[in-house]
Amino acid sequence: AQSVTQLDSHVSVSEGTPVLLRCNYSSSYSPSLFWYVQHPNKGLQLLLKYTSAATLVKGINGFEAEFKKSETSFHLTKPSAHMSDAAEYFCVVTHTNAGKSTFGDGTTLTVKP
Amino acid sequence: SQTIHQWPATLVQPVGSPLSLECTVEGTSNPNLYWYRQAAGRGLQLLFYSVGIGQISSEVPQNLSASRPQDRQFILSSKKLLLSDSGFYLCAWSLGHGYGYTFGSGTRLTVV
Repeated sequence: AQSVTQLDSHVSVSEGTPVLLRCNYSSSYSPSLFWYVQHPNKGLQLLLKYTSAATLVKGINGFEAEFKKSETSFHLTKPSAHMSDAAEYFCVVTHTNAGKSTFGDGTTLTVKP
Repeated sequence: SQTIHQWPATLVQPVGSPLSLECTVEGTSNPNLYWYRQAAGRGLQLLFYSVGIGQISSEVPQNLSASRPQDRQFILSSKKLLLSDSGFYLCAWSLGHGYGYTFGSGTRLTVV
């Protein structure tokens, strides 16, 4: 079985300050983990993925995430928020043996000027 | 490069009317195809997925159905829409469960 928990439903930061979106997972197997971003009324776009290679993963738009097996976490970070980062973010866990992916409920990121 | 097309972008349909949403993928062969639904302010719910032509797996019992008549075409249908079918429908493709998804731009369905 697998599950994913996004610990914050809403995060608000000021422009230029760091972003931290938290994700914990559980999986019976070694998981693949993903972060997606969704702007209003748009499809989801892949930000980055972890698939058992380097534990620190760099993605698009300056985002990165660190896979911590001991903490079963895959938190998404960005050093400096931009107004265009305001969106919904989804953490996803999957494994080929699981047959499907499990999406978190999402975190809404608000960026204040 | 691979692209995914989903249409229409928005749709307003009366209760009891039929539905057909189409999704096509270009630039890849034998992709896994998925239909997700996203209710307002909620996460994504997997409705159907397909690993090949004519092979459909249903995740949630409902009045929706899916078909895959061609390798890169995935259709979501309903014979009679319900108010509860309103939502944002997303098509996606993947090379496999560990590869991540590429999503279409979505269809906003409002049943009135």
